[in-house]
Amino acid sequence: QVQLQESGPGLVKPSETLSLTCTVSGVSITTYHWTWIRQPPGKGLEWIGYIFYSGSTNYNPSLKSRVAISVDTSKNQFSLRLTSVTAADTAVYYCARCNALNCYSWFDPWGQGTLVTVSS
Amino acid sequence: DIQMTQFPSTLSASVGDSVTITCRASQSISTWLAWYQQEPGKAPKVLIYKASILESGVPSRFSGSGSGTEFTLTISSLQPDDFATYSCQQYNSYPLTFGGGTKVEIK
Repeated sequence: QVQLQESGPGLVKPSETLSLTCTVSGVSITTYHWTWIRQPPGKGLEWIGYIFYSGSTNYNPSLKSRVAISVDTSKNQFSLRLTSVTAADTAVYYCARCNALNCYSWFDPWGQGTLVTVSS
Repeated sequence: DIQMTQFPSTLSASVGDSVTITCRASQSISTWLAWYQQEPGKAPKVLIYKASILESGVPSRFSGSGSGTEFTLTISSLQPDDFATYSCQQYNSYPLTFGGGTKVEIK
């Protein structure tokens, strides 16, 4: 069965770069589009962007100037980088699989999520 | 961006009750809508996609309807496991967006 697992630092200082990796097991990462979603504490979900194994990406315009998603097919992983973070970027970050081409779809399955706190 | 508005934001109900949650899109999204259930501290789990198609393994007491801008999620005969937060998500256009969530609490 397909499983996703996020990894990365749980604490990032303001103005620095948040970096997370999602490891996919049970399916080749070349088969689907993959996405990052975040959820600030007590708030709703926000889509960050997606990537295809070819490197094709699409980002939420609200984050586009600060975000980059990359893929490593040899490790079956994809990664998120978010630069110049502030306290507003404190959230649980989830990786997930898109269920249709170009991520015009629902997301399933999801990783368990990882809390990233931005604080000095 | 397409804004997704859910109501109510909180709903109190008892085991055995039937409840309905509404999700309204700021513009037509046809039936490109999914519903998720999220338990505290856990990732969302998809219940319904394309507005009314039940994901495999999801109990039949969950149902979805609607098209265009107005959608509903109905849970008939609430079970203890159903007390959670429910969110809608549109996938008609980028950026993909979610509703703010509806928390179903025990009365």
